[in-house]
Amino acid sequence: SQQGEEDPQALSIQEGENATMNCSYKTSINNLQWYRQNSGRGLVHLILIRSNEREKHSGRLRVTLDTSKKSSSLLITASRAADTASYFCATDESGGSYIPTFGRGTSLIVHP
Amino acid sequence: EAQVTQNPRYLITVTGKKLTVTCSQNMNHEYMSWYRQDPGLGLRQIYYSMNVEVTDKGDVPEGYKVSRKEKRNFPLILESPSPNQTSLYFCASSFQGRDTQYFGPGTRLTVL
Repeated sequence: SQQGEEDPQALSIQEGENATMNCSYKTSINNLQWYRQNSGRGLVHLILIRSNEREKHSGRLRVTLDTSKKSSSLLITASRAADTASYFCATDESGGSYIPTFGRGTSLIVHP
Repeated sequence: EAQVTQNPRYLITVTGKKLTVTCSQNMNHEYMSWYRQDPGLGLRQIYYSMNVEVTDKGDVPEGYKVSRKEKRNFPLILESPSPNQTSLYFCASSFQGRDTQYFGPGTRLTVL
């Protein structure tokens, strides 16, 4: 079942600004992953954060996880036009199926 | 190069004409899965496989079949396609189901 829900559905910013998108989920998880999808293409893995971690960084990406609130956020700093894409969170439910379930995504547009 | 390949990339067919979308990965991954992506609904899992000869239903399995006779291949079969199966389909694989998934480029299917 679809567990992760991203917010906002759409985000439009100027190049150089930071972009923050959030993911909320319903049940306990083992880990949470963020993926990026350029228009009509396959998803590309960005970062995985485990349930016992609170924050992770990868280049200009910063992911936080708050298991008490069942939420995660993805921050892209100093955004670029090339960051324009849809971003999805995928949750791995504790005791659930072995394949992560995806949300509906946040569509990010970065204007040059 | 490590990759997941899908064929065909684009397919237009008519109602009731059986079709198969192939998926192959060269990373020796045990876990493979199929998703469909529709506007406003995000990615929904169709079927997944934890290993050879082991398959299980996802969220939207009706109208689809899969098989996993070899580790590298996981074809998606539509025995009698209908217009509501018009969608963008993705195959994905992972070493262990709970970690990073690698996605194929997608197959855009139109059923008339």
